[in-house]
Amino acid sequence: GQNIDQPTEMTATEGAIVQINCTYQTSGFNGLFWYQQHAGEAPTFLSYNVLDGLEEKGRFSSFLSRSKGYSYLLLKELQMKDSASYLCAVRAQAGANNLFFGTGTRLTVIP
Amino acid sequence: GAGVSQSPRYKVAKRGQDVALRCDPISGHVSLFWYQQALGQGPEFLTYFQNEAQLDKSGLPSDRFFAERPEGSVSTLKIQRTQQEDSAVYLCASSLALVGGLAVYEQYFGPGTRLTVT
Repeated sequence: GQNIDQPTEMTATEGAIVQINCTYQTSGFNGLFWYQQHAGEAPTFLSYNVLDGLEEKGRFSSFLSRSKGYSYLLLKELQMKDSASYLCAVRAQAGANNLFFGTGTRLTVIP
Repeated sequence: GAGVSQSPRYKVAKRGQDVALRCDPISGHVSLFWYQQALGQGPEFLTYFQNEAQLDKSGLPSDRFFAERPEGSVSTLKIQRTQQEDSAVYLCASSLALVGGLAVYEQYFGPGTRLTVT
């Protein structure tokens, strides 16, 4: 089966930096995605990594190490609106587009 | 530039009833996915279409679940004889990329249908 682990909850202060980790054990690997999901809303795409290294996109960065089965999402200059769940998802097979999701990390940003 | 839309947004069904959930993907998107999201969990894959062809239905939990996309655009997820364990949010997502293509496989999600079986 596919196993994707991430912390259940995190709390951080407005203006700070937070790192959300994700480890995965899947039958194959063809890309890792991070999504943001506000309560009651659709997940929205944040980042995509298929090669090792860091991808930066404004206040958000995502890192991947395929050999370690590890990724993290880094959020800088936290804002109150960043309070949401952050979902790590792996595309396990080439030739298949479906994603395997972790349970999500609920981030609470406090003043 | 409309996104993925789903209807109804909320559905309450009595145990044993049949329900039909609709998804309108982004125009021109080839791939369409259905996911089930239980409270406090990540989405779990149910089924995948490329145009009108259902290429993967390995995630459907039982034969009470059926999905179709007859003309390669709108899709319907049908659940027969609903059970309490079917209560969840059902998410639809669409993607432009074809299987095996080099484009980023970004999936655009709809707002979901929250199904409550009483």
